[in-house]
Amino acid sequence: QQQVKQSPQSLIVQKGGIPIINCAYENTAFDYFPWYQQFPGKGPALLIAIRPDVSEKKEGRFTISFNKSAKQFSLHIMDSQPGDSATYFCAARKNNAGNMLTFGGGTRLMVKP
Amino acid sequence: KAGVTQTPRYLIKTRGQQVTLSCSPISGHRSVSWYQQTPGQGLQFLFEYFSETQRNKGNFPGRFSGRQFSNSRSEMNVSTLELGDSALYLCASSPGLAGSGTDTQYFGPGTRLTVL
Repeated sequence: QQQVKQSPQSLIVQKGGIPIINCAYENTAFDYFPWYQQFPGKGPALLIAIRPDVSEKKEGRFTISFNKSAKQFSLHIMDSQPGDSATYFCAARKNNAGNMLTFGGGTRLMVKP
Repeated sequence: KAGVTQTPRYLIKTRGQQVTLSCSPISGHRSVSWYQQTPGQGLQFLFEYFSETQRNKGNFPGRFSGRQFSNSRSEMNVSTLELGDSALYLCASSPGLAGSGTDTQYFGPGTRLTVL
């Protein structure tokens, strides 16, 4: 059972565009939602994270929007650059479940010059 | 500060063998988690250790086991390897347990295991 559903699986945008990656979850016990970026041959690196009491969080060109009632959250990358081409994963963590993360399936982003 | 290190980076084994992977967390971090990454199943949680105790375990068979030492270094072992165990095994460290204000997990580069 996939507890965190991520879409789309792949995405191509032009430089300067704003790719949007969406995630949805079912379990209301999730209380922490990070996004990770992974380049080939590397481990995932934390980009930005949000908790359910906040509807939006921005760090540099990355913004998370969170809709608690719909149980959905999304990542927006402003002014995307070719260097942003990577695989992006959303994740969720339950309260009282240690550091265990449940990941979405990933989105392969390509930003064309 | 040095990041999470994993050894070896690449490993080739045959079916039926066993393998041990090693992870050294960031200095001062006490929580270590392991994940399996495959193209088909994505990133899946294996287990988490904190202060030498397993705190959480994912939905993997008993062939997968781990441990943590007093210096927070961790090892995971897979016995009786199967072809489906071919994957990238990732280790992540955190300063402490979730909810203690030390949420961020830092991932290592992974160990690429190929089972022939």
